[in-house]
Amino acid sequence: DIVMTQTPLSLSVTPGQPASISCKSSQSLLYSDGKTYLYWYLQKPGQPPQLLIYEVSNRFSGVPNRFSGSGSGTDFTLKISRVEAEDVGVYYCMQTIQPTFGQGTKLEIK
Amino acid sequence: QVQLQESGPGLVKPSETLSLTCTVSGDSISSDYYWGWIRQPPGKGLEWIGTIYHTGSTYYNPSLKSRVTMSVDTSKNQFSLRLSSVTAADTAVYFCWDGGSHWGQGTLVTVSS
Repeated sequence: DIVMTQTPLSLSVTPGQPASISCKSSQSLLYSDGKTYLYWYLQKPGQPPQLLIYEVSNRFSGVPNRFSGSGSGTDFTLKISRVEAEDVGVYYCMQTIQPTFGQGTKLEIK
Repeated sequence: QVQLQESGPGLVKPSETLSLTCTVSGDSISSDYYWGWIRQPPGKGLEWIGTIYHTGSTYYNPSLKSRVTMSVDTSKNQFSLRLSSVTAADTAVYFCWDGGSHWGQGTLVTVSS
């Protein structure tokens, strides 16, 4: 299994401040087709996860540009440039080669 | 717009088989997408159960493989999940998913006698 490890597991951020979540995989997510299948989702309370970022750094349609993804191989990062109140929830990284999720990072507002 | 909707019993007895169906609207299940099931035990994280292509090819979580069967019904634009020999540990919200951005709202399945 490919193990996905997220840090930190919780974040408390003042509105307007940046936030960063790390996701490390136990093996490279670079697939034979040249793509890297690393996704970021946000799950708000009582809702299904919503896609933020696909293939490491591509922002999904409608996702604010304060969200950005980066990384390669086994190390990936989700950054929020200026946190807003609506960003609260649990963030998950996911790889879809042999699908597994990170443990989730809970973001709350100070 | 693609929409997914799970349906099935909300209560299953231990040792019995959990059966869920996902109805897809706004897209053909015979497209190039693959489709999947993901579950979330109460208060816990997400676990991938398995994936099925419109061709019927399946890929299952190794930890569940011996108990999982997925199928697709192109005539009804649906795909299904069967999980056998359930225990309390299988109590979870079950989501169907299009492999990307579209998820069902989820359905809570409780395993209890």
